[in-house]
Amino acid sequence: EAGVAQSPRYKIIEKRQSVAFWCNPISGHATLYWYQQILGQGPKLLIQFQNNGVVDDSQLPKDRFSAERLKGVDSTLKIQPAKLEDSAVYLCASSLDRMDGYTFGSGTRLTVV
Amino acid sequence: SQQGEEDPQALSIQEGENATMNCSYKTSINNLQWYRQNSGRGLVHLILIRSNEREKHSGRLRVTLDTSKKSSSLLITASRAADTASYFCATVHAAGNKLTFGGGTRVLVKP
Repeated sequence: EAGVAQSPRYKIIEKRQSVAFWCNPISGHATLYWYQQILGQGPKLLIQFQNNGVVDDSQLPKDRFSAERLKGVDSTLKIQPAKLEDSAVYLCASSLDRMDGYTFGSGTRLTVV
Repeated sequence: SQQGEEDPQALSIQEGENATMNCSYKTSINNLQWYRQNSGRGLVHLILIRSNEREKHSGRLRVTLDTSKKSSSLLITASRAADTASYFCATVHAAGNKLTFGGGTRVLVKP
């Protein structure tokens, strides 16, 4: 089975610029998650989708972050404008249901300079 | 906010020794999961233990869960250099699907 695909692998941008990340989950996985992982910390959930509906976005900084999941499959996460503190690895994960382990993509390492 | 707290934050052992790390959490859970992460990349799911289970094994991994103490432990037996990684516990709340991670334990296995 193919894993969770993410792109790009790396991105370097200047503060106040915009950036977008893409995620393709495992086929058939209804639930998709975006996590932010700052160096040395555990991943923090940004947003959770069930099919194409948002289940939880309570920790998403909505003034600058947005996410969508088109047709309940692929998802994009956007930051506009970026701040220095947004430097992190952005991880996408998908799962069949909550009794399954989550499958994570390799992540996108964002550096904001 | 992070649900789980791992202890210790870092662990250094010799190859062949056992590694034990602990996780404590705050709210009622549906299940608890352990993940491994190499070099800040994607996390790999290791094992899931349900709230009505007390112990689970997978290869050289042994996980215990004590819901009365809201704690779990992960034991890696006969460690190898390839086990060097960060290990995270994560919990799924009793209500909802959200998977919440702790801060992780960095394990170094010296050859």
